[in-house]
Amino acid sequence: QSALTQPASVSGSPGQSITISCTGTSSDVGSYNLVSWYQQHPGKAPKLMIYEVSKRPSGVSNRFSGSKSGNTASLTISGLQAEDEADYYCCSYAGSSTFDVFGTGTKVTVL
Amino acid sequence: EVQLVESGGGLVQPGGSLRLSCAASGFTFSSYWMSWVRQAPGKGLEWVANIKQDGSEKYYVDSVKGRFTISRDNAKNSLYLQMNSLRAEDTAVYYCARQEYPGDAFDIWGQGTMVTVSS
Repeated sequence: QSALTQPASVSGSPGQSITISCTGTSSDVGSYNLVSWYQQHPGKAPKLMIYEVSKRPSGVSNRFSGSKSGNTASLTISGLQAEDEADYYCCSYAGSSTFDVFGTGTKVTVL
Repeated sequence: EVQLVESGGGLVQPGGSLRLSCAASGFTFSSYWMSWVRQAPGKGLEWVANIKQDGSEKYYVDSVKGRFTISRDNAKNSLYLQMNSLRAEDTAVYYCARQEYPGDAFDIWGQGTMVTVSS
């Protein structure tokens, strides 16, 4: 099972909106509404930001939103802030033999 | 406070063995599937293995099948990963994480423990 494809880097200025794509296949992203997104600051553990494509856990800013179309999921960060600078990973369920597949990761830079 | 704390990492020679532990607190451990997820230095996240609430089902990524064994002790609120026949490519930070069911999001993560396989 190959990793889901994400852009290596995305950047934006404070206050802007950015979108990170996560492209899979009909066997993972396209088959299940079980896409999640994680934020990881250097040297820290990943933190859940979005689950089930578009749901936000308690405590996560509403500046973070998720969506999916076909085999591609997306994470949008609006009103970009300095603290949003981190690596972001998508993850999708891929069935009962492969289970969870992560994306290649995207480094978000706040200019 | 809901918490996962890993331990047991270290430096091991190729072909050697290591046992990782993950201590859970602040939630009903026996109600959750648990997973190990690893991250090689400078690389992305990779799901390694998971185990059902009662330990009756266990699944592994192909690259560790036959070498790694996941287990749990619900009485001790602990998750384990026995790693045998270690290879250089197993070098990574290993995180334990919880899920309500396979495919569910990993909502709680430990801080990770570093495993280095090198001679």
